Amino acid sequence: QKEVEQNSGPLSVPEGAIASLNCTYSDRVSQSFFWYRQYSGKSPELIMSIYSNGDKEDGRFTAQLNKASQYVSLLIRDSQPSDSATYLCAGLTGGGNKLTFGTGTQLKVEL
Amino acid sequence: DVKVTQSSRYLVKRTGEKVFLECVQDMDHENMFWYRQDPGLGLRLIYFSYDVKMKEKGDIPEGYSVSREKKERFSLILESASTNQTSMYLCASRLAGAGEQFFGPGTRLTVL
Repeated sequence: QKEVEQNSGPLSVPEGAIASLNCTYSDRVSQSFFWYRQYSGKSPELIMSIYSNGDKEDGRFTAQLNKASQYVSLLIRDSQPSDSATYLCAGLTGGGNKLTFGTGTQLKVEL
Repeated sequence: DVKVTQSSRYLVKRTGEKVFLECVQDMDHENMFWYRQDPGLGLRLIYFSYDVKMKEKGDIPEGYSVSREKKERFSLILESASTNQTSMYLCASRLAGAGEQFFGPGTRLTVL
């Protein structure tokens, strides 16, 4: 099993809808997770971090962590075309010394 | 704001050349990282450094070396570039003990 796994997509949602992005992780990943957004040709940009079980909200973004089921999700409310990007999930591994990334989910927000 | 800069956005080199990629961060971060990113393979860690003069191999160190002589600067060296090293190279830094990691703009390297 890969340490951090994501569905590559593309995930298509209409403008104004909620986009739900999911990520699962293995036992080798510690309980700190990060969501990055990456536009085509650009570098990843940190948008959310979550360290404890439950939900964390920041504007239109909500990160959810479920330790029992070993998954992390990112909800984007009122999706906009500018949200179209690849979203990378990452977790701390190696005793908390490094981040391991999923391969990313491509999100397309359609007009 | 954290700022991580990389020496070049685009670089074209020939097979067998020695290539230096430079990364500089201005936030006094202890930890620095070099990744490469390829379609379908995601971000893969090449090398990382906990602090000055310290380095650790990542998941794909073969064909690469690094140097960290000053805290703010982390260099990636391709001793003899090969075509399979054509990729996007991303540098990142973070404060020791913190989770959040910040990326530079990337260098797209093409080896002919």
